[in-house]
Amino acid sequence: QVQLQESGPGLVKPSETLSVTCVVSGYSISSGYYWGWIRQTPGKGLEWIGTVYHSGSTYYNPSLKSRVTISVDTSQNQFSLKLTSVTAADTAVFYCARVNSLAYYSYMDVWGKGTTVTVSS
Amino acid sequence: DIVMTQSPESLAVSLGERATINCKSSQSVLYSSSNKNYLAWYQQKPGQPPKLLIYWASTRYSGIPDRFSGSGSGTDFALTISSLQAEDVAVYYCHQYYSTPPTFGQGTKVEIK
Repeated sequence: QVQLQESGPGLVKPSETLSVTCVVSGYSISSGYYWGWIRQTPGKGLEWIGTVYHSGSTYYNPSLKSRVTISVDTSQNQFSLKLTSVTAADTAVFYCARVNSLAYYSYMDVWGKGTTVTVSS
Repeated sequence: DIVMTQSPESLAVSLGERATINCKSSQSVLYSSSNKNYLAWYQQKPGQPPKLLIYWASTRYSGIPDRFSGSGSGTDFALTISSLQAEDVAVYYCHQYYSTPPTFGQGTKVEIK
């Protein structure tokens, strides 16, 4: 059974970099699928941040592209998100998810439980 | 970006009754060459992540009860719960994956009347 588990800092100061990691169990990232990050805020709802493939290819939402880096570590079976220059508007629940192999922007069939990151001084 | 608009924002339905949620996309999500609608539905209960219910607009994901059904094509879609159960209380989201960036509706909250 595939499971995803996010881990994050909980609290980040404005202008700093937010880092969140997703550990995948029950499935090898190298075997296929895309792996994505989605965030959820009360104001904007669900927002796709970006997706990574096991090869390291990455795809980002243009609205966040200048501040986002997603990477994959197949040896640890995990992938990570970095978001720079954060503001209070980046406060959200961050989810990692498995993305159907049709395309990097396809539907997500397995989700992590989410990790809440608050941006505040 | 394709804008997904759901209606209503919330609805209250009696146990055992039908609940219908609508989703409208700002442009067609029907891919003509495959005749598939690139639309999914998710259920999110409080404190939980979204859970995939439906993809290709009408294909139930593994393990999803058959009281959940999806319909529609092009720009207009619906999620129907044929007989509402207490465990169906949740927020439901539609999601288009026809083009990037993928986008979601704002959600519809389903409650028991």
